[in-house]
Amino acid sequence: EAQVTQNPRYLITVTGKKLTVTCSQNMNHEYMSWYRQDPGLGLRQIYYSMNVEVTDKGDVPEGYKVSRKEKRNFPLILESPSPNQTSLYFCASSLKAWASGGTTQYFGPGTRLTVL
Amino acid sequence: LAKTTQPISMDSYEGQEVNITCSHNNIATNDYITWYQQFPSQGPRFIIQGYKTKVTNEVASLFIPADRKSSTLSLPRVSLSDTAVYYCLQHGSSNTGKLIFGQGTTLQVKP
Repeated sequence: EAQVTQNPRYLITVTGKKLTVTCSQNMNHEYMSWYRQDPGLGLRQIYYSMNVEVTDKGDVPEGYKVSRKEKRNFPLILESPSPNQTSLYFCASSLKAWASGGTTQYFGPGTRLTVL
Repeated sequence: LAKTTQPISMDSYEGQEVNITCSHNNIATNDYITWYQQFPSQGPRFIIQGYKTKVTNEVASLFIPADRKSSTLSLPRVSLSDTAVYYCLQHGSSNTGKLIFGQGTTLQVKP
C-alpha cells in the first residue's frame, strides 16, 4: 500500500532533550516536506527536500533540522526542544515539487508532540 | 511568495451544495491550483487539482475563471461526513519546493 508513515505518533518530552521524528514513504517520491499545524495557523512548512541530499528551509525552520540521505526517509530533528515546539507535525511527499503533474502531496498520519 | 486567501469558516446543511472560494495572490502563468481536505487528527488529503476552466471528479468540482485570480471548490449535496477543513494551494511554476498553505476553511455541515 502506498503510504507515508511517521513515528512516533505521540510523544511527550522535556525541554532540551533531543528527539527525532521519522518519516518514510514507499512511493519513490522525489519531494518530501515537514509541516507543523497549530490552532488558527493552518499548515506551516518547516523544511522540504527536492531530492536526496537537497534540503531547504520552509516558512518556520528555526529550532529544527532535517536530513535526506535516502530517497524514502526524511527525519525531523529537534536538537533542543522547547515548549513552543509543542504542535502537530505532518510529513508529506509528492512525485515532484512543481506542476506538470505529480504534485499531489501525500500526508502522513501526524505526530503529536508535547514539550514540557 | 504565493499566498491564498479563503474564508475562515462556513456552515451548511446536509444535502446542500457548498462552494468555497479562494483568492490567489500573484498567481503565475504556470501555477496549478490544488485543494486538500483535512479531518480532525488526520493528515490532509488531496481532493482536486486544476489549471483553468472546470475540473470534475467523483468528489468535487473545481471552477477557475479565465483570469485565474480565484478558484471555487464545489461540493455537491454535502453530508455530515464532509465536515472538515479545506485548504487551497497554488504552486508549481517557481521551481521551488517552498509551499504556503492558507489558514483553511472550516466547513461545518449540520443535519
